[in-house]
Amino acid sequence: GEDVEQSLFLSVREGDSSVINCTYTDSSSTYLYWYKQEPGAGLQLLTYIFSNMDMKQDQRLTVLLNKKDKHLSLRIADTQTGDSAIYFCAENVGGSYIPTFGRGTSLIVHP
Amino acid sequence: DGGITQSPKYLFRKEGQNVTLSCEQNLNHDAMYWYRQDPGQGLRLIYYSQIVNDFQKGDIAEGYSVSREKKESFPLTVTSAQKNPTAFYLCAIKTTGQGRGEAFFGQGTRLTVV
Repeated sequence: GEDVEQSLFLSVREGDSSVINCTYTDSSSTYLYWYKQEPGAGLQLLTYIFSNMDMKQDQRLTVLLNKKDKHLSLRIADTQTGDSAIYFCAENVGGSYIPTFGRGTSLIVHP
Repeated sequence: DGGITQSPKYLFRKEGQNVTLSCEQNLNHDAMYWYRQDPGQGLRLIYYSQIVNDFQKGDIAEGYSVSREKKESFPLTVTSAQKNPTAFYLCAIKTTGQGRGEAFFGQGTRLTVV
């Protein structure tokens, strides 16, 4: 079946790197996504990675995918207070119409 | 302005009342979804629809109802049978064709029982 797991909280100091981890169970996932949710708002797509890639970099964001361990991570370099939000990992399984989300990781950035 | 629109942003319901949350999109996507979000629970799927005049129950459909009479619209009714309706409700849309297949979300409706 499909299941996506994340830790619930992460606290970092401003300027440090943040690493948010996610594990998934369905090996047939075609795309994996990271979404960001700011307080009182909907989710916005932050970045994504295709399942045949190991790494994707986009400015301060680095996504690492370990297909063998079914592990996905999001690294945010030079974390700022504006990065404080909930981050959701999600997978899209080929042929499935229902995106599956993790429970979300609350990132707290303190001075 | 293109995208997905949820209304209202805040909604208050008295005990025993039905209320309807609106979700409209103009991106011409086939699939639409309703999720409920509670603190620490992530997103739980209520109902989804892949095509007009067809919809399926998600994981927590009890106490909710939907309709899909038009491609652009997927309203959610929270009925009096839903015993704990206070939550943040999110509508999402997704293409069902080839491509990245990411979901696009509305800004959410916060429903409070008073």
